[in-house]
Amino acid sequence: EPEVTQTPSHQVTQMGQEVILRCVPISNHLYFYWYRQILGQKVEFLVSFYNNEISEKSEIFDDQFSVERPDGSNFTLKIRSTKLEDSAMYFCASRIERTNEKLFFGSGTQLSVL
Amino acid sequence: GDSVTQMEGPVTLSEEAFLTINCTYTATGYPSLFWYVQYPGEGLQLLLKATKADDKGSNKGFEATYRKETTSFHLEKGSVQVSDSAVYFCALRIPAAGNKLTFGGGTRVLVKP
Repeated sequence: EPEVTQTPSHQVTQMGQEVILRCVPISNHLYFYWYRQILGQKVEFLVSFYNNEISEKSEIFDDQFSVERPDGSNFTLKIRSTKLEDSAMYFCASRIERTNEKLFFGSGTQLSVL
Repeated sequence: GDSVTQMEGPVTLSEEAFLTINCTYTATGYPSLFWYVQYPGEGLQLLLKATKADDKGSNKGFEATYRKETTSFHLEKGSVQVSDSAVYFCALRIPAAGNKLTFGGGTRVLVKP
């Protein structure tokens, strides 16, 4: 079965640094998402992206966050100035079309902010 | 707002035991309901879904029935295997309100031989 690929699997950074989390969605998918899970908490929606623009975002997704699909294959999440509370597992996901319920998730990037 | 509550784990079972993971929800609209599973080292995978009341989703021996009257979507499997050891997430989506999934906290299941 096709896979969503996320790199790196673990990222350690210092508070205040910028990080970019990378995802390669499934090639014919059109809708892209980022979710995160802080240790011991629920998986939370961050943002959805379609047709090169954000279609929906949560309250968590403030000005420190941005997403981009720079080259038609990668889908990135950038955190401009990381905070301790950004430490979490970040999941990328993609869907082939809006009405298809099946969302494919990557295995996640564990971000640790020190 | 929308929310999903599922039983906390870990749940430890012996092989061939019966598994139930409770899930209840609150939703502002008419949700579609899902169970996702995360095996060690992997991403979340859709296990089963139900899109309207009284629908039963099933896959790999797992079942869950959409109960609108009790706002529940409990996951069951009659005879678990060691390979079912994973974290199970209940989730909902309001189709009329966008694409985002609202997840429960996840339940870790450990099946011992």
